[in-house]
Amino acid sequence: DADVTQTPRNRITKTGKRIMLECSQTKGHDRMYWYRQDPGLGLRLIYYSFDVKDINKGEISDGYSVSRQAQAKFSLSLESAIPNQTALYFCATSTSGTGRYGYTFGSGTRLTVV
Amino acid sequence: AQSVAQPEDQVNVAEGNPLTVKCTYSVSGNPYLFWYVQYPNRGLQFLLKYITGDNLVKGSYGFEAEFNKSQTSFHLKKPSALVSDSALYFCAVRDVNAGNMLTFGGGTRLMVKP
Repeated sequence: DADVTQTPRNRITKTGKRIMLECSQTKGHDRMYWYRQDPGLGLRLIYYSFDVKDINKGEISDGYSVSRQAQAKFSLSLESAIPNQTALYFCATSTSGTGRYGYTFGSGTRLTVV
Repeated sequence: AQSVAQPEDQVNVAEGNPLTVKCTYSVSGNPYLFWYVQYPNRGLQFLLKYITGDNLVKGSYGFEAEFNKSQTSFHLKKPSALVSDSALYFCAVRDVNAGNMLTFGGGTRLMVKP
């Protein structure tokens, strides 16, 4: 099983719908992150959490919300999806000291909003 | 603030030739530097990192990176490129002023032609 699992892998949704992307990890890491990747662009941080009771906005948090249900689970919600939220979404985890590999990434969720 | 720059959006190289993917950084204090690779429809995977010690760091898949403090660079290299090396490469630096979070460069697409 993957260390960081994202579900679903692919999703097509309609404009205005609420959608949740889920991330779970078996690394035992305290920290979890949500990134967005658009074609031709790098990674942009949406939200991050340093532990279960900690939630922080990243550079592009508008239109998104998150929930850290447990150390191992971090969900990203789009309250009312719009077409320009079509992108590849990545979850990542890390220790507080960055650790041996820096971040561990999931395989991504490809979201299309029509 | 810490920052990292990848000056080339794309690097083209012929199979068998040496490759270099460039990265420069700006940090306060000693840098922790990382390279990640992203294959199509996959998450980012750790390649190598520099913390301290030898300026030439060896990583996965035959890649290596050279840390140059005077030029504030951390270029990724491989002596002989393979077609299968074609992917998106990200450089990252640990930001001690942001709780050890990683700051990513914009990414460089490597195209290796047969």
